[in-house]
Amino acid sequence: DAEITQSPRHKITETGRQVTLACHQTWNHNNMFWYRQDLGHGLRLIHYSYGVQDTNKGEVSDGYSVSRSNTEDLPLTLESAASSQTSVYFCASSDPEGADTQYFGPGTRLTVL
Amino acid sequence: AQSVSQHNHHVILSEAASLELGCNYSYGGTVNLFWYVQYPGQHLQLLLKYFSGDPLVKGIKGFEAEFIKSKFSFNLRKPSVQWSDTAEYFCAVKGYNNNDMRFGAGTRLTVKP
Repeated sequence: DAEITQSPRHKITETGRQVTLACHQTWNHNNMFWYRQDLGHGLRLIHYSYGVQDTNKGEVSDGYSVSRSNTEDLPLTLESAASSQTSVYFCASSDPEGADTQYFGPGTRLTVL
Repeated sequence: AQSVSQHNHHVILSEAASLELGCNYSYGGTVNLFWYVQYPGQHLQLLLKYFSGDPLVKGIKGFEAEFIKSKFSFNLRKPSVQWSDTAEYFCAVKGYNNNDMRFGAGTRLTVKP
């Protein structure tokens, strides 16, 4: 079955370190998204991609970057981790042919000390 | 950009009670509307969606939602909740011509056995 996976599931890092969160989908979807989930804010969009070599900033993109070198993967990089980036991160993908329903990964819990 | 407001932060019900969770959005154009559910420790799953046609949408597990365009609302309902419905529920809206999905802050539902 097609799926979307994230790794690691849990990560503890220190302020100032670079961190990369992986997202891999086997749906063959063109669209991929990164969200962060914080209490009281729901999910907020960080970056999204419509296809290979395409990336776009979302609502809360400062301090994050993404790159899309193939259809299956959209890694999220925190260039210099800050305590304010402690959160749960969800990756999602969607297929415009499927009416844009987004399918979510299991999430990565990131703690920045 | 569109925004979403969920009125109830935490709802506590007894089994067999009826449920209605409020969702209002702001957006000037055509929208696609979604309700997602997140069970404890799990990732988000699609409950139901509205794209066009009948404004009363039926989803999985006995949930339904009604799109009222004049009120910019998309409330979620279930006639009789079960303990297994304990979860967090997110309303989301996407503009028809963009990929920017906006989520509400979520409503935590606790169903007492």
